[in-house]
Amino acid sequence: EPEVTQTPSHQVTQMGQEVILRCVPISNHLYFYWYRQILGQKVEFLVSFYNNEISEKSEIFDDQFSVERPDGSNFTLKIRSTKLEDSAMYFCASSNIGGGSSYEQYFGPGTRLTVT
Amino acid sequence: LAKTTQPISMDSYEGQEVNITCSHNNIATNDYITWYQQFPSQGPRFIIQGYKTKVTNEVASLFIPADRKSSTLSLPRVSLSDTAVYYCLVGDGSNYQLIWGAGTKLIIKP
Repeated sequence: EPEVTQTPSHQVTQMGQEVILRCVPISNHLYFYWYRQILGQKVEFLVSFYNNEISEKSEIFDDQFSVERPDGSNFTLKIRSTKLEDSAMYFCASSNIGGGSSYEQYFGPGTRLTVT
Repeated sequence: LAKTTQPISMDSYEGQEVNITCSHNNIATNDYITWYQQFPSQGPRFIIQGYKTKVTNEVASLFIPADRKSSTLSLPRVSLSDTAVYYCLVGDGSNYQLIWGAGTKLIIKP
């Protein structure tokens, strides 16, 4: 069964450093998402991406965040200058139809980001 | 903005039917209501989605009243492996962002 993969599984970085979280969505999917989950809390939507541009983003997704699909397979989330409060699990998801919550999203295993 | 409310936790026993309700207002009128399951240290996994009335698949049923201000996930004959956190997911009625419920931690006992 096809699956979403994410690397690395765990990233430790110092405050102020830039990090790039990588995702490989399912190959025929067209819609891509990043979510954040602080330990013990609910899943929070960050951004959705379609046709090489951001389609929706939340208030969390400020100027420190950016997303990119640099080639036909990878989807990345960059945090320019990490803060302690960016420590969380980051999930990538993809779907073959998008535009809302309607459509089944396939989630990756997540990257645990620890900012020290 | 859309707001969702779910019970924080629920307990049940193997073989029982479990119903988890999510209240949601100001949701997108043309969007589905979706439920996900999450095990520790894993990404959420799609369970079921619906727009109105009742939907059933091989793992669950979803009941949505006509006013769509709530939805109830029904898990028939639960087993220990159903112990997980269950989230409802809706689209916001004003900005179409995806709004997750806070999650219901379901614990199944033998």
